[in-house]
Parts: sequence; C-alpha cells; structure tokens
Amino acid sequence: EAGVVQSPRYKIIEKKQPVAFWCNPISGHNTLYWYLQNLGQGPELLIRYENEEAVDDSQLPKDRFSAERLKGVDSTLKIQPAELGDSAVYLCASSLLGRDTQYFGPGTRLTVL
Amino acid sequence: GIQVEQSPPDLILQEGANSTLRCNFSDSVNNLQWFHQNPWGQLINLFYIPSGTKQNGRLSATTVATERYSLLYISSSQTTDSGVYFCAVETSGSRLTFGEGTQLTVNP
Repeated sequence: EAGVVQSPRYKIIEKKQPVAFWCNPISGHNTLYWYLQNLGQGPELLIRYENEEAVDDSQLPKDRFSAERLKGVDSTLKIQPAELGDSAVYLCASSLLGRDTQYFGPGTRLTVL
Repeated sequence: GIQVEQSPPDLILQEGANSTLRCNFSDSVNNLQWFHQNPWGQLINLFYIPSGTKQNGRLSATTVATERYSLLYISSSQTTDSGVYFCAVETSGSRLTFGEGTQLTVNP
C-alpha cells in the first residue's frame, strides 16, 4: 500500500513569490491534514479536511495561505506571497477518519530567500 | 490550549542500552500517539495509545491517562533508533498537539 505522497520534496523561492505544495493521501483515507514544522519543533496543524470540507482551519494564516481538496482526494496548499518566515517543512498527513492514527508524508522543505 | 512536555530533550546512548522517554500533558485527551522522525525527516507512527500498554518488538509504550503522562520504552537500542521522538495528543476537535520532541542519538 502506497503511503502519503507529497511533491515537491524541496523548493527554493524568492520572497514575495507564490508557491504550491501537493499531497496525495493514502487511498481510502477521508481525513487529510496539513502541518507546518519549524526547525527543532514539533509539527503544528494548519488545516484539516474531512473529505472535501475544511473542518479546522483556525491556524491557517488566511491572508497569504490557501488550501483546497477538490473531490475529497488530493490537496494543494498555496502561499502567496511567500515571506522569509515561511521557510519550514510542510507536512501532509492522512487518516481513515478523524481520531484515527495519522500517517505522514515525507514533507516539502521550503526555503524563502 | 493543552501543553505537552517531553523529557529529556536530548539523550545519547550506546548501542544496546535501554531508555525511557516521558510525555506529560496538561489536560484530558482523547488520543495519544508516539512518532519517530528519522534523520531524513520522515515521521513514522509508533503507537496509538490513549491508555494502557502496548508493545511492538523492542518498543513499548504506557499511557496513564488519569495521571496525564505517557512513557515510551526502547530496549536494546540500535543506531537506527536515532532521530527525534514526538508525543502528540488529541483533545476534542481531533486536533493533534505535538510536544517538542526528544532527540535520541545511539552510538555504535
């Protein structure tokens, strides 16, 4: 069984540029999560989807971050415009349902110059 | 919000040694998970353990929910056990809150 897939693995951009990350969850998993992990810290939730509905986006900085999960499968997280402080690892996870074991993808390491 | 504290922050072992990692949390939780983040950044789920004891090979975990702590035991450590171990708790609303992790280094 394939795990959570994320792309790209690495991204380097200039500040004020847009950037997008893609996630494909484990087949059949209804719940999808996007996390932000800063160096030396644990991941922090940005947004959680139940199917195609964003049920917890309270920690998503909506002035520059947006996310979508069309058809309740793949998801895209976008930042526009990127700032220096956005440099971090962006992790995607999925679970069969909420309150189930979460499985993480390899992450996208973003560097903003 | 809920506070999650892990100890020790750093741990260095010789191969073959045993260790215990601790996770304290400040409020009642619906779920607790232990993760291992390897040196390449991949987070691997170790245990889903809101209460009780579970074992998987050389690893075992115990959560005492009434006293708001969980322990992760690693026996006969190997160099491949190196990495960061995270405890994460879930309160109402299905949000996972992670601790800051324990950085484990196992030397040959």
